[in-house]
Amino acid sequence: DAGVTQSPTHLIKTRGQQVTLRCSPKSGHDTVSWYQQALGQGPQFIFQYYEEEERQRGNFPDRFSGHQFPNYSSELNVNALLLGDSALYLCASSPGRPGGGQYFGPGTRLTVT
Amino acid sequence: GDSVTQMEGPVTLSEEAFLTINCTYTATGYPSLFWYVQYPGEGLQLLLKATKADDKGSNKGFEATYRKETTSFHLEKGSVQVSDSAVYFCALSQYNTNAGKSTFGDGTTLTVKP
Repeated sequence: DAGVTQSPTHLIKTRGQQVTLRCSPKSGHDTVSWYQQALGQGPQFIFQYYEEEERQRGNFPDRFSGHQFPNYSSELNVNALLLGDSALYLCASSPGRPGGGQYFGPGTRLTVT
Repeated sequence: GDSVTQMEGPVTLSEEAFLTINCTYTATGYPSLFWYVQYPGEGLQLLLKATKADDKGSNKGFEATYRKETTSFHLEKGSVQVSDSAVYFCALSQYNTNAGKSTFGDGTTLTVKP
């Protein structure tokens, strides 16, 4: 059973560019959440998708947007990249039942120069 | 809003020593509590969880008890190994009110020396 997968592993972009990160959830999971983890800090919640809709959003600007597809996979898009967007972006999937915990992918390391 | 506070690291122990990493939380209602572990260059792995007061989560020799009276969820292990060296994150999730989003502490780095 494949766990949560993310692509690409690493990415280098220039300030002002746009980036798309991808995530495939663990089999049987229908909910996908995205987190940003800056160096030396805990993950910060960006947003969560369920049934192809954004269910909840953290304190991130509109430059951060996402999408969920019918097969539950998801994309995170970031426009007008800033140097401060450099971080590890983590995707997590979870089943619909409460209290189950989230399963994280290995992350995408984004560097903005 | 919800928040999680972990003891500051780094923590350095000798092999077979006893480990405690403190975690306290602030939240309304009855959150579920989690410990995650992150090895170098990897994503987070769920280590253990507890979904209601007085529950004890355990896995791989680690354990933590959900203490509502002290709003704590301290992580313990009786005898650490070099392979336990990693960053440990305490987290909470309020499924019913926040649709399962997790709030994390800043992590505690553990280094175990042979």
